[in-house]
Order: sequence, then C-alpha cells, then structure tokens
Amino acid sequence: AAGVIQSPRHLIKEKRETATLKCYPIPRHDTVYWYQQGPGQDPQFLISFYEKMQSDKGSIPDRFSAQQFSDYHSELNMSSLELGDSALYFCASSLQNQPQHFGDGTRLSIL
Amino acid sequence: QQPVQSPQAVILREGEDAVINCSSSKALYSVHWYRQKHGEAPVFLMILLKGGEQKGHEKISASFNEKKQQSSLYLTASQLSYSGTYFCGTGRTGANNLFFGTGTRLTVIP
Repeated sequence: AAGVIQSPRHLIKEKRETATLKCYPIPRHDTVYWYQQGPGQDPQFLISFYEKMQSDKGSIPDRFSAQQFSDYHSELNMSSLELGDSALYFCASSLQNQPQHFGDGTRLSIL
Repeated sequence: QQPVQSPQAVILREGEDAVINCSSSKALYSVHWYRQKHGEAPVFLMILLKGGEQKGHEKISASFNEKKQQSSLYLTASQLSYSGTYFCGTGRTGANNLFFGTGTRLTVIP
C-alpha cells in the first residue's frame, strides 16, 4: 500500500538560509499535517490542511509557511533558518477523524 | 494542552506486562496511540473515540475514560519488538490535529 512520501530525507542548511520540504500524502487522504520533532522530544504540531485549505495551526513560527496544492501534495517553506530549527520534520495524512499515517520524515540540520 | 504520560520510562523483561497512562487537562474527543523507534516515523497502534471504549490488537489494548480525560495502553507478554517510545496523541472535537504526550520510553530486554 502507498505510504506518505517525504522529500528530501536529509537536508543540510546554514543559518539564515531557506528550505522547502515536500510531502505527498496517501492517495485519497483529505488531510495533511506537519510536525516538528526535536531530539528526544515529542512531535509538535505545526499546521494542517483539509482539502487544500489550512484547517488548524499549532506552534509554527512566522518564518515558516505551508500550503497544499491542487494535487494534494504539501510543502513546508522555512526561511531565515536558525540553529534551533534542526529537527525531524514529519508529514502525516489521514481521512477525517481517522488515524494519521506518518512519512519517514525529513532530517533538517542547520550549521 | 500537552497530555502528560506516565511513566517516563520503563524497562521490562520479555513476557512481562506494562501499562502506560496518558492524562489531559482538556476535554478529549479522541486518543491515538503511536509507537516510535529511534529515528523512525511514529507508527499508529490504535485510536479510541470518546465513549469509554476499549480496543485491543493482539497483546496490546487500550482504554479511554472520557470523564477522567485519561487513556491507558496495556502491553501484555511483551516482546523485544515492543521496544520504542510510546506517544499518546489527543484530539479535540472539530479538529483533527493531535497534541502528543510527553512520551514513554519502553525497553524490553531478553
């Protein structure tokens, strides 16, 4: 069965640079979520989209933005990167009120 | 809004049982349980919706006490493959995003 696809798997950036993470949800899933997980931490909800519209917002910094496109893939755009942004970024998808299925994540390292 | 899990960590021998608790200060609509191995994605275990239901999957089951805003995950006859960090994720009515708990690191040793 198709799973959530995230790219890239690893990304290395320097401070003040920008980064774009991509997520391709499971086909027919109508909701996409982004989470940030620091080392030894629990996943922190950033933002979600339902049917391409932003549905909920969590602890997403103003330097970050996200959108969902007509083909349902989503992108997380991160600007003015800081050392503290180093983390695993997960995308998950689901149908409404159904379990969320996570991608393998993008490991972002800021030098 | 983050739910609190207990214990923070537990070490079991193969075949032993464990209970992981998840408590929230907010009214809950649903509780999701996930297991995450180091550096990997969280893997869905089960979902419980309000109504006090209990669900089971082989030797892993869970309960949801809506009144107490608590959920518990029961692991029986643990296996080495059960090792990992367990997270509860709580959902609110009208929203699909989850607030993940503080996590419980479970280690099963031979």
